[in-house]
Amino acid sequence: ETGVTQSPTHLIKTRGQQVTLRCSSQSGHNTVSWYQQALGQGPQFIFQYYREEENGRGNFPPRFSGLQFPNYSSELNVNALELDDSALYLCASSLSAGETQYFGPGTRLLVL
Amino acid sequence: DQQVKQNSPSLSVQEGRISILNCDYTNSMFDYFLWYKKYPAEGPTFLISISSIKDKNEDGRFTVFLNKSAKHLSLHIVPSQPGDSAVYFCAAKKINNAGNMLTFGGGTRLMVKP
Repeated sequence: ETGVTQSPTHLIKTRGQQVTLRCSSQSGHNTVSWYQQALGQGPQFIFQYYREEENGRGNFPPRFSGLQFPNYSSELNVNALELDDSALYLCASSLSAGETQYFGPGTRLLVL
Repeated sequence: DQQVKQNSPSLSVQEGRISILNCDYTNSMFDYFLWYKKYPAEGPTFLISISSIKDKNEDGRFTVFLNKSAKHLSLHIVPSQPGDSAVYFCAAKKINNAGNMLTFGGGTRLMVKP
């Protein structure tokens, strides 16, 4: 059974650019959640997608957006990158919206 | 406002002894709690969870205790092993809230010395 995978592993962007991060959920999981983990802090919830619909959102501005595809993989898009967007972005999948979340290895984004 | 706090940024324990990691929360609406372990360059790995209707849950070497009146939970690892060295995060959520958002503490780095 394949776990949660994320791509790319690392990314460097400049301020003002746009970025797309990708996540493949664990087999059989229909729910994907995205988190941002700044250095030295715990992960912070961005949003969750359940069966291709947004199912809840944390305290992040609209320039953070997402998609979930019919195969339940997901994308996180961030527009107009700011220096403070530099962080580890974690994706977690679960069997359903209320079930235990299993995390991928993350994408480390550096904004210069 | 940090709703979940892990006040000890680090903990050092001798191999074979007990490790106790603590977590406090402020939101009384939280009714489900989890512990995750994170190694460098990997995502958090789920360890153990507890519902607010229980005060203890055990899984092998790992036991989580919940004290609802004190809004406090702890993770006990007995016996501690060098492979347990990692950052431990506690997380909390309200069951059935939109998005099933997990609210994480800042983490505690556990070092188990051989």
